[in-house]
Amino acid sequence: SSELTQDPVVSVALGQTVRITCQGDSLRTYYASWYQQKPGQAPVLVIYGKNNRPSGIPDRFSGSSSRNTASLTITGAQAEDEADYHCNSRDSSGMHVLFGGGTKLTVL
Amino acid sequence: QVTLRESGPALVKPTQTLTLTCTFSGFSLSTSGVCVSWIRQPPGKALEWLALINWDGDKYFSTSLKTRLTISEDTSKNQVVLTMTNMDPVDTATYYCARSTQFYFGYYYGMDVWGQGTTVTVSS
Repeated sequence: SSELTQDPVVSVALGQTVRITCQGDSLRTYYASWYQQKPGQAPVLVIYGKNNRPSGIPDRFSGSSSRNTASLTITGAQAEDEADYHCNSRDSSGMHVLFGGGTKLTVL
Repeated sequence: QVTLRESGPALVKPTQTLTLTCTFSGFSLSTSGVCVSWIRQPPGKALEWLALINWDGDKYFSTSLKTRLTISEDTSKNQVVLTMTNMDPVDTATYYCARSTQFYFGYYYGMDVWGQGTTVTVSS
């Protein structure tokens, strides 16, 4: 499969928990990676592999996966978490890299 | 410290060929598992992967753009060069390069370091 699907818009109340999802057949083979992107900035990797955070990423960010769906969970969302979130993986053949359409997260 | 920096023209005319250079430091593209990708993002739109070159010199391309793209490396200069032919206004975007490690079949750990991006406008 050559697509990753994300909900375009998600909102969360300050301090609450939010889950952002990404669906695609290739996620049965490859883990998704997740990026946070704020306006005018390059994407920043926040989750990779089964559930790994690069150095400097707060532990309120976590990842999970089930069948063809990957999820990014923010536990206790902060105002600074308002951003676009992109999922990313390889396709089932491994020969191509895919991005989802992105999810705009609003923290209310 | 790992860094990547994109460079190239800010403005190209329709039908022209775009050449972008990614200059990196802090790692070697000859290290097993390492690759450098090019990704673009039109204004207000999603990220789109374009191409990558890996530690073994293998090259992979977006299916929809492969006829227009070439990617190459200059290991002596620590650079990866992307060319895109027949530019069109719809190719107006910010173009990023990014590094991945452990890019083996069956594994994917994302793009851990990105350049700041370079904005390319296609207009006559």
